[in-house]
Amino acid sequence: QVQLVQSGAEVKKPGASVKVSCKASGYTFTKYAIHWVRQAPGQRLEWMGWINADNGNTKFSQRFQGRVTISRDTSATTVYMELSSLRSEDTAVYYCTPVTTGYWGQGTLVTVSS
Amino acid sequence: QAVVTQEPSLTVSPGGTVTLTCGSSTGAVTSGHYPYWFQQKPGQAPRTLIYDTSNKHSWTPARFSGSLLGGKAALTLSGAQPEDEAEYYCLLSFSDARPVFGGGTKLTVL
Repeated sequence: QVQLVQSGAEVKKPGASVKVSCKASGYTFTKYAIHWVRQAPGQRLEWMGWINADNGNTKFSQRFQGRVTISRDTSATTVYMELSSLRSEDTAVYYCTPVTTGYWGQGTLVTVSS
Repeated sequence: QAVVTQEPSLTVSPGGTVTLTCGSSTGAVTSGHYPYWFQQKPGQAPRTLIYDTSNKHSWTPARFSGSLLGGKAALTLSGAQPEDEAEYYCLLSFSDARPVFGGGTKLTVL
């Protein structure tokens, strides 16, 4: 069955970067784009960007343009999301999802605190 | 960036019917926005209920249905159950390939 397993919780200082991984299994990895979505405490879901798992093309929300990088390793069927210049407002749960499949990762809590 | 709007909160009686809507600041929502609907309960990851306006996943309860209604995407719950109490989000795709979530609707079953 389809599974998306994300890396564990992170605590980072302001100004640092964080890299979250998402290991996909149970389907043909290159068939679907994988999206990253985040949710700050008590807030709405927010779309961050997606990667075409086949050719590596990416698209990002203008809110994160320049601060976010999404990459993939097809041999490892893993997608990575790196967010730089972290600030306290980036404290959130980050999710990966090949949204077309309907499946979601379990979420990764990133806490930004001095 | 477009703004996607949802009712902030709705209440439905057990066994009742309720329709949640999803509008766009750019105009009428069409099938070309590929509307998605997600359910999220506290402390859990979102669960996808509806994709491409009206298609259901294998796990989507039959009481949920998606449609287009009056220029908006709509999620109708017929025969509400206590376990349907949750936050519901819609997602619309736009021509710049940057999808946008709505603000969410908190549904109370009371």
